[in-house]
Amino acid sequence: DQQVKQNSPSLSVQEGRISILNCDYTNSMFDYFLWYKKYPAEGPTFLISISSIKDKNEDGRFTVFLNKSAKHLSLHIVPSQPGDSAVYFCAASAMRGAQKLVFGQGTRLTINP
Amino acid sequence: DTGVSQDPRHKITKRGQNVTFRCDPISEHNRLYWYRQTLGQGPEFLTYFQNEAQLEKSRLLSDRFSAERPKGSFSTLEIQRTEQGDSAMYLCASSLGSTSINEQFFGPGTRLTVL
Repeated sequence: DQQVKQNSPSLSVQEGRISILNCDYTNSMFDYFLWYKKYPAEGPTFLISISSIKDKNEDGRFTVFLNKSAKHLSLHIVPSQPGDSAVYFCAASAMRGAQKLVFGQGTRLTINP
Repeated sequence: DTGVSQDPRHKITKRGQNVTFRCDPISEHNRLYWYRQTLGQGPEFLTYFQNEAQLEKSRLLSDRFSAERPKGSFSTLEIQRTEQGDSAMYLCASSLGSTSINEQFFGPGTRLTVL
């Protein structure tokens, strides 16, 4: 069963506009959420995270929103830049125990000049 | 460079051969994870170490797979009698393991191709 889902395999956005990437989860035990960015032939790079006690976390151009009742989170990138073109993975974990990450399938973001 | 490193970056082997991968985590991180990623999917958890102790293994980790982390520093992942289905990117990650922070930092991965 897919506990973390990213339903959009790809997204195309014009440079300077806002990119919004979405993620849904099913396991109520998840209380920490992360976004990673991945370029081809490289490992995932940590972008931003949020714990379940918050509903928003911001870091520069990146903001993550968490809606616990809907089991939904989103990543906003504004303004979008060509260097943001990559695959973005949403991941969830429980703070207790192994803290292993459960990843979504990824969304390929393309920023068009 | 103080990030997570993995060796080799690429490995091509014939079915039935054994392969071993190495991961060097960030030095002050006490937790080390192995994940596997196949095309079009997100990484999937395989196993994790707290210092030298292997504390959890996924059911994805068949008995042909073994991982070690002697002395709680680098880790090795060995696959015996490789099968074509083992072809994937094998990712290593490390973290501080704090109860309040769980950012895992990934290495570049080892891409395994089994012919």
